[in-house]
Amino acid sequence: QKEVEQNSGPLSVPEGAIASLNCTYSDRGSQSFFWYRQYSGKSPELIMFIYSNGDKEDGRFTAQLNKASQYVSLLIRDSQPSDSATYLCAGGVWDYKLSFGAGTTVTVRA
Amino acid sequence: KAGVTQTPRYLIKTRGQQVTLSCSPISGHRSVSWYQQTPGQGLQFLFEYFSETQRNKGNFPGRFSGRQFSNSRSEMNVSTLELGDSALYLCASSSRQGANYGYTFGSGTRLTVV
Repeated sequence: QKEVEQNSGPLSVPEGAIASLNCTYSDRGSQSFFWYRQYSGKSPELIMFIYSNGDKEDGRFTAQLNKASQYVSLLIRDSQPSDSATYLCAGGVWDYKLSFGAGTTVTVRA
Repeated sequence: KAGVTQTPRYLIKTRGQQVTLSCSPISGHRSVSWYQQTPGQGLQFLFEYFSETQRNKGNFPGRFSGRQFSNSRSEMNVSTLELGDSALYLCASSSRQGANYGYTFGSGTRLTVV
């Protein structure tokens, strides 16, 4: 079983819609969670992090964490063509490595 | 503030050769982690160095090794290259050891083994 699993997608949404990305993790000891965006041919870029249960909002992005269900999600509101990328979910145990999911490719249709 | 610098950006090597990749972290960052990214396996953790010591290690064969210098710059070495080593190698910089605060990635080194 992979440590971090993402809904594999790909996900296609119309411009202006909400894109919903989901991720589950297997290690109950995981304490920190991150969402990275990776454009084709580029390296991953950190867009959100969350440590506590609940929601965290940053602009058009909202990360949600539910430790009881071992579930992390990312919502992208008012999706723009520039949001078209692969989104990587990552989780980690304090002082240890980050484990990454396989990524979900999002395409925003104009 | 300069980001994470990886050199070279691209490499083509022949099977059986060895290669050394370099990474300079963000100024002040003492943790450097290395990841291998392939289409089939995604991002896989190689190892982490913090204050010149290897702190964590992934499940890669001993052909993969690394080190960190006193200025926090890190190198990764792969000996006896195999075709399956073709990948994007990413270096990640962090101010603290481990996953606590997330990483900032460099642009990567694209290694092709022929």
